[in-house]
Amino acid sequence: VQLQESGPGLVKPSETLSLTCTASGASMSKYYWTWIRQSPGKGLDWIGYISPTGNTVYNATLKSRVTISTDTSNNQASLKLTSVTAADTALYYCATGGYDPFWTGWNVWGRGTTVTV
Amino acid sequence: DIVMTQSPLSLPVTPGEPASISCRSNQSLLHRDGSTHLDWYLQKPGKSPQLLIYLVSNRASGVPDRFSGSGSATDFTLKISRVEAEDVGIYYCMQALQTGFGQGTRLEIK
Repeated sequence: VQLQESGPGLVKPSETLSLTCTASGASMSKYYWTWIRQSPGKGLDWIGYISPTGNTVYNATLKSRVTISTDTSNNQASLKLTSVTAADTALYYCATGGYDPFWTGWNVWGRGTTVTV
Repeated sequence: DIVMTQSPLSLPVTPGEPASISCRSNQSLLHRDGSTHLDWYLQKPGKSPQLLIYLVSNRASGVPDRFSGSGSATDFTLKISRVEAEDVGIYYCMQALQTGFGQGTRLEIK
């Protein structure tokens, strides 16, 4: 399985950041998807995740601005972050994982995509 | 909120020597299914993070057996029995109950 993030590399302040993560090699319909970002020179910052049933959980600090969704027919997950500021400039990763039947960890990661605000 | 605290934040190690990283949470990471949701990830320079250990002590596919994880509830440890040059990078613990990472520990070769 491989994941590939895609989307605009430059977003203007106050606008909406929109990214897509496309999986290839296997269907991700039974897996969790997550988005994680990393500001330049900083650690990993979890944004949120979506379950196979469509339940979403978001980082409390971003909850009012974040939406994560999936398109199972296209084996994709999407991230939307509204009202962006310079603080949202980061390398954005998607990853997948799940329960089989116990938690497996985020075991597949994309290469990441850089977004500059 | 669950807060993860790692130590040390910087770890210089001589090749062939062991290394140990501590991770503590301010709440128990015991899941309702009885498992403890603590993972370890390694981010090598210029690369995406990769899963090393899940559920405290289970090595991910392809991870060398020199890596081991232990601990319970709120206190966890990642050990490398004999550090190799390829182990350089930043190690993160992550609680998978709500999802959140520690600050990261930078391992470097002396």
